[in-house]
Amino acid sequence: AQSVSQHNHHVILSEAASLELGCNYSYGGTVNLFWYVQYPGQHLQLLLKYFSGDPLVKGIKGFEAEFIKSKFSFNLRKPSVQWSDTAEYFCAVMEYGGATNKLIFGTGTLLAVQP
Amino acid sequence: EAGVTQFPSHSVIEKGQTVTLRCDPISGHDNLYWYRRVMGKEIKFLLHFVKESKQDESGMPNNRFLAERTGGTYSTLKVQPAELEDSGVYFCASSQGYRERETQYFGPGTRLLVL
Repeated sequence: AQSVSQHNHHVILSEAASLELGCNYSYGGTVNLFWYVQYPGQHLQLLLKYFSGDPLVKGIKGFEAEFIKSKFSFNLRKPSVQWSDTAEYFCAVMEYGGATNKLIFGTGTLLAVQP
Repeated sequence: EAGVTQFPSHSVIEKGQTVTLRCDPISGHDNLYWYRRVMGKEIKFLLHFVKESKQDESGMPNNRFLAERTGGTYSTLKVQPAELEDSGVYFCASSQGYRERETQYFGPGTRLLVL
């Protein structure tokens, strides 16, 4: 079965620092990949998604992610973080099985941005 | 457009009691999913409805959990009787039925604490 690894469990950055959060999934083939974010007290929100095409995907709030098939990776990046980016970030892969599309999540990365 | 809503936002119950969680999907979304996150671990799939039919309930932990979606609109997830290990955050998600390019939209979650 598919699995997702997020290497950083807690990340602390200062404002304006660059961010890269790692995400690897376990096996190849056709994959749909997602990054979700949960801001404090809010719902799980879609940041960006990859279905096909250009492996560099741009999302909301200045985030982007790069799909590297050979490395089974989908790392999230932002050139300059803000205090408001403090949140928990989840990488997910969609697994197709029969009539169900399950999202397989990583354990999440807690990002704290210090002003 | 209203997003996915869940009720209650928090629930604290004693072991052995019954709790019912509710999810209202985005209007027009046929797919409805339940996921659970236990104590800082990854978010895990519980089950999937298409309209009122259960498509996949392979993630349901045991028969103390019962999900329904009468009329294909809102869904309930009942835990009876609740055990300590049922504590966690229960997420609901919904999507339109477009298999290879499906995006699931999540609600805010219900935080369940079983004492």
